[in-house]
Amino acid sequence: GDSVTQMEGPVTLSEEAFLTINCTYTATGYPSLFWYVQYPGEGLQLLLKATKADDKGSNKGFEATYRKETTSFHLEKGSVQVSDSAVYFCALSGLTGGGNKLTFGTGTQLKVEL
Amino acid sequence: GAGVSQSPSNKVTEKGKDVELRCDPISGHTALYWYRQSLGQGLEFLIYFQGNSAPDKSGLPSDRFSAERTGGSVSTLTIQRTQQEDSAVYLCASSLQGAGSPLHFGNGTRLTVT
Repeated sequence: GDSVTQMEGPVTLSEEAFLTINCTYTATGYPSLFWYVQYPGEGLQLLLKATKADDKGSNKGFEATYRKETTSFHLEKGSVQVSDSAVYFCALSGLTGGGNKLTFGTGTQLKVEL
Repeated sequence: GAGVSQSPSNKVTEKGKDVELRCDPISGHTALYWYRQSLGQGLEFLIYFQGNSAPDKSGLPSDRFSAERTGGSVSTLTIQRTQQEDSAVYLCASSLQGAGSPLHFGNGTRLTVT
């Protein structure tokens, strides 16, 4: 079945450091890929998405590129801020469930310190 | 504007009791999801409603779990004869059209079975 594997956290960085959170997936066909973020005390919200191979999703300085050859969708940001501290979830929607069932990873907690 | 509302925010119940969890989606959203998040685990898909179509119940872990969505709006997740392994955060999400549009999550109901 479909699955998503993320790097374990927590990831602790200093402000302005470069961020990478790894995500790899297993799915039949060509799924859509997503990153969701959960800020402290808030519900999960969509950060960015990519729907086909080589697409790059971007939002709020974050980027992720859909790599079919490595089945990856790593999240990157060039310079993190304290306000980026949150839990980040990688997800996919594949053929299972007609493309409407999101399969999530376990989440990666990011802590950014001054 | 109003987001996805879940109630109660916390529920403590004794093993063997039945519980009902409620979700009020964003008005106009035709798709509604229930997920479960256990400590250290990712989000586990439970059930998906889309308009008047038959729900996708493929994620319900046992026949003790059921859900309904009345009038295409409010949804109730019912767990009968609760067990300690049911303890988790139950998340509801809604979207305009399924996974192709962003899922908007509520803050969840934290269920503790003693």
